[in-house]
Amino acid sequence: NAGVTQTPKFQVLKTGQSMTLQCAQDMNHEYMSWYRQDPGMGLRLIHYSVGAGITDQGEVPNGYNVSRSTTEDFPLRLLSAAPSQTSVYFCASRGGKETQYFGPGTRLLVL
Amino acid sequence: DQQVKQNSPSLSVQEGRISILNCDYTNSMFDYFLWYKKYPAEGPTFLISISSIKDKNEDGRFTVFLNKSAKHLSLHIVPSQPGDSAVYFCAASEMGPGNQFYFGTGTSLTVIP
Repeated sequence: NAGVTQTPKFQVLKTGQSMTLQCAQDMNHEYMSWYRQDPGMGLRLIHYSVGAGITDQGEVPNGYNVSRSTTEDFPLRLLSAAPSQTSVYFCASRGGKETQYFGPGTRLLVL
Repeated sequence: DQQVKQNSPSLSVQEGRISILNCDYTNSMFDYFLWYKKYPAEGPTFLISISSIKDKNEDGRFTVFLNKSAKHLSLHIVPSQPGDSAVYFCAASEMGPGNQFYFGTGTSLTVIP
């Protein structure tokens, strides 16, 4: 049981490039979400999904897209990276209980 | 506007003493509260939670207190150990599988041996 996995661990992008951050969970959780962590800002919700085929925006959705075609996977897409998207990104999932489990994070640097 | 606030960015405590981390919230609809612990280069891990029907929840060395009238919760760690050195986030939500968690900005705890 791997829990929540994220790839890559670290990525450097140039402004304007696109990329997809991968997230997968093997706990059969319905609820998955993406957060970004910035100094002094805590964890801010980007997008979330309450089940396959259903996604919604969080606090800071601009510049990011998500889709949820399966229960297991919840990729986050940056369509045109900007330096303001330099951050650490965490994927999380939770099932019937309220506790949320986080992945190890993806550190993104946009030059 | 930040709905969950942790006003102390950092805290240093001697090993064996009590650590008290504080958290305030503004939304009176929040009824479920959690503390997460985060080590560098790792994801946050769940530590302890409390629902609004309780005012205290204890798990080993960790106790969370909730004061609903003051919209305040605190995490007590007794006794503190060097391995407790980490960033602690409090989070709040309305109970329910589809409701969002709102996180504070974190408090960095250093336990001095």
